[in-house]
Amino acid sequence: GQQVMQIPQYQHVQEGEDFTTYCNSSTTLSNIQWYKQRPGGHPVFLIQLVKSGEVKKQKRLTFQFGEAKKNSSLHITATQTTDVGTYFCAGPAGTALIFGKGTTLSVSS
Amino acid sequence: DSGVTQTPKHLITATGQRVTLRCSPRSGDLSVYWYQQSLDQGLQFLIQYYNGEERAKGNILERFSAQQFPDLHSELNLSSLELGDSALYFCASSGGGSSGNTIYFGEGSWLTVV
Repeated sequence: GQQVMQIPQYQHVQEGEDFTTYCNSSTTLSNIQWYKQRPGGHPVFLIQLVKSGEVKKQKRLTFQFGEAKKNSSLHITATQTTDVGTYFCAGPAGTALIFGKGTTLSVSS
Repeated sequence: DSGVTQTPKHLITATGQRVTLRCSPRSGDLSVYWYQQSLDQGLQFLIQYYNGEERAKGNILERFSAQQFPDLHSELNLSSLELGDSALYFCASSGGGSSGNTIYFGEGSWLTVV
């Protein structure tokens, strides 16, 4: 069945360093969504990408959707302590949304 | 506040018991999703309902069942509980029934089986 893989599983950075998480699907995706879960919180929608090769930016966050629509990435420039949490990508499987296992980011100041 | 309400927030129960988790979706949302989150398995999709009908099924155990009522709230029933069922159970909702919709998560129900 549909699988969405994310790497790395954990990443620790110093404040100010950049961070990237990668998401790969076993099948072509019609869209991909990204969510963030703060420690002790619930996943919160960040963005949806639909078009092949699409790039979207939200302040220091840059999201990309691969040309083949099978992979995606999230890049954070100059991380801050407020960026800590787990970042999930999610792709459709039928009408449901299947999540990767997430990348947990920790930031030390 | 996502607008999705889950109760109870915390629940401790013994092995072999049965519990019911309740979810009220955002006002106007027709789809309800249930996810299980454990440390090593990430967010596992269990089941989706759309306007009272089962729409999609994921890795839901036979001991688990769910339903969506006419007022659109949903319940997840977990029976013959095992230690391994201890997890955070999220309900989420969206306006439509397709996978292109953004889904909004509730704060979750922490289940501890002892």
